[in-house]
Amino acid sequence: EPEVTQTPSHQVTQMGQEVILRCVPISNHLYFYWYRQILGQKVEFLVSFYNNEISEKSEIFDDQFSVERPDGSNFTLKIRSTKLEDSAMYFCASNLASWDNQPQHFGDGTRLSIL
Amino acid sequence: AQTVTQSQPEMSVQEAETVTLSCTYDTSESDYYLFWYKQPPSRQMILVIRQEAYKQQNATENRFSVNFQKAAKSFSLKISDSQLGDAAMYFCAYRGPSGANSKLTFGKGITLSVRP
Repeated sequence: EPEVTQTPSHQVTQMGQEVILRCVPISNHLYFYWYRQILGQKVEFLVSFYNNEISEKSEIFDDQFSVERPDGSNFTLKIRSTKLEDSAMYFCASNLASWDNQPQHFGDGTRLSIL
Repeated sequence: AQTVTQSQPEMSVQEAETVTLSCTYDTSESDYYLFWYKQPPSRQMILVIRQEAYKQQNATENRFSVNFQKAAKSFSLKISDSQLGDAAMYFCAYRGPSGANSKLTFGKGITLSVRP
């Protein structure tokens, strides 16, 4: 069964540095998402992306965050200047359509640790 | 704004027994979708079961079934014949109607332990 793949599985970065988290969604999917989960807390929506533009973003997704689909297969999340509170598990998800009951398929996540 | 509430932080079940995990939600929409995701210690997010609000029939997937009460805005997950591999964090999630409202809103999750 096709999967959403995320790299790296664990990223350790110094505070203030830029970090790019990478995702390869399922190949025929059209809608892409980033979520984060701070340790011990619930999964929170960050941003959704369709047709090469952001569809919706949450309050968390401020100017330090950006997303990109640079080459038609990768979907990246960039954090420009990381803060300690950015330490979390980041999940990429994709689905074929936003309507009907198409579920979002999640990657295994990238654990981001900010030192 | 939509909210999802999972009020039980932890539950425990004996292997082979049945357990029910509770979830309530709040929405002003009439058409929406509900999901249960499982997150084992490996931290993956695995879809367990889904329910469309317009369907009166409760969804079933093998040992997993839901009790969907639309009027009460309740969406509980029943796990029958519990197995050790069912031990995980379980998240209830809501998704609104099609189009711009396609994000998932998650509850806080419930940690399920299975006793051998």
